[in-house]
Amino acid sequence: DAGVTQSPTHLIKTRGQQVTLRCSPKSGHDTVSWYQQALGQGPQFIFQYYEEEERQRGNFPDRFSGHQFPNYSSELNVNALLLGDSALYLCASSFRGQGNYGYTFGSGTRLTVV
Amino acid sequence: AQSVAQPEDQVNVAEGNPLTVKCTYSVSGNPYLFWYVQYPNRGLQFLLKYITGDNLVKGSYGFEAEFNKSQTSFHLKKPSALVSDSALYFCAVRGATGRRALTFGSGTRLQVQP
Repeated sequence: DAGVTQSPTHLIKTRGQQVTLRCSPKSGHDTVSWYQQALGQGPQFIFQYYEEEERQRGNFPDRFSGHQFPNYSSELNVNALLLGDSALYLCASSFRGQGNYGYTFGSGTRLTVV
Repeated sequence: AQSVAQPEDQVNVAEGNPLTVKCTYSVSGNPYLFWYVQYPNRGLQFLLKYITGDNLVKGSYGFEAEFNKSQTSFHLKKPSALVSDSALYFCAVRGATGRRALTFGSGTRLQVQP
C-alpha cells in the first residue's frame, strides 16, 4: 500500500519564479494538508483541502495557493518566490471520516530559492 | 490559539538508558496529541497519538508517552535507548473540535551515545 507520494523530491528556483509541488495521498484518504518546514524549525501549517476546496488556512500570504483534484491528489503553488520560501514542504493526508487524526506524511519536497 | 513547547533543543542519553523528551501544549477543549520522528532529509514518521482513553499510550519502536491533563504535558519516553533512536522528534497538537490543522513544536534532537 503506497503511502503519501510527493514530487519532485528536490528543486531549485530563482527569486520571482513560480513553483508547483505535487502530492498523492495515501490510498483511502480524502484530505490533504500542506506544511512548510524551514531549516531548524517545526512544520508550519499552510492549508488543508477536502472535497476540492480549501477548508482551513494558516498564516501564509496569498502567494501560496493550492488545488485538490477529484482523485484527492493535490498541488501547492507558490508565486513570486522569495529566498525565505526555501524550505522542506510536507504533504499530509488523512481520512475525514476518522475525525482527521490519522495523519500520514510524505517525505517532502526540498525547495531552494536562489 | 493552540501551541506546543518542547523546552529542550537537544537531549543526550547513553545507549541502554531510559530517555524522556518533554512536551507541553495549549489548546481549547480536549487535545489530540501526537509524536513524530524525523530522520535527516526525510519526512515525518508517526510514533504514537493520544485521542482519548488510557493516559499511557504505547507506540512504535518501543516508545510510549504519558498524557497529563493537569500539567498539559505529553512527554515521550522509552525504557532503553538505542543508537538508532538518534533523530529529531516533534510533538504536535490539535483540538478535538474546530481547527483540524496540527500545530508542531520546534523539535528536540535526541542523541544516543554508544
